[in-house]
Amino acid sequence: NAGVTQTPKFQVLKTGQSMTLQCAQDMNHEYMSWYRQDPGMGLRLIHYSVGAGITDQGEVPNGYNVSRSTTEDFPLRLLSAAPSQTSVYFCASSYSIREVQETQYFGPGTRLLVL
Amino acid sequence: GNSVTQMEGPVTLSEEAFLTINCTYTATGYPSLFWYVQYPGEGLQLLLKATKADDKGSNKGFEATYRKETTSFHLEKGSVQVSDSAVYFCALRVVDSSYKLIFGSGTRLLVRP
Repeated sequence: NAGVTQTPKFQVLKTGQSMTLQCAQDMNHEYMSWYRQDPGMGLRLIHYSVGAGITDQGEVPNGYNVSRSTTEDFPLRLLSAAPSQTSVYFCASSYSIREVQETQYFGPGTRLLVL
Repeated sequence: GNSVTQMEGPVTLSEEAFLTINCTYTATGYPSLFWYVQYPGEGLQLLLKATKADDKGSNKGFEATYRKETTSFHLEKGSVQVSDSAVYFCALRVVDSSYKLIFGSGTRLLVRP
């Protein structure tokens, strides 16, 4: 199993550009989510999905869209990049949404710089 | 609301020293508690977890005990190595509509030879 994979590893954007961060998992996990990591703030939830075709907003969803057309993929779209979106983005997945003790598995992250 | 508070870093120790990283939490209901570790340039990996009061999680020489009475989940290791240098995140998860992990701000550990 490759686990959770993310592409690209690093991206530079200009303000106003759009892009899609890719996330895929090969573990047949129901639950997938996107977090952003900012210095001194830990990780914050952007969007999550409890299964194919079902998505919902987390703590900091503004400026981001997601979709979940398959169990494996959960792309994150930046519609019009802003410098405030400079961050490290992590995708995570877990097998079940029903068990609060379920381990979440994280991808290696995408470092995004918006100029 | 639900939150996690970790001690400020960085924590700098010599090899073979004893490590404690403090973590306290506020939560409704009965959360599960986690420690994640992030090595330089990598994503987060689960280090250990505990799912109910008085449970002790352990892995790679690290331990943490779920203390409901003090709402704490402190991370300890008896003898740190240079390879333990990383950022450590305490986190909790509660049963709500998002099932999200709620993270502390992270504590950077630097172990010197």
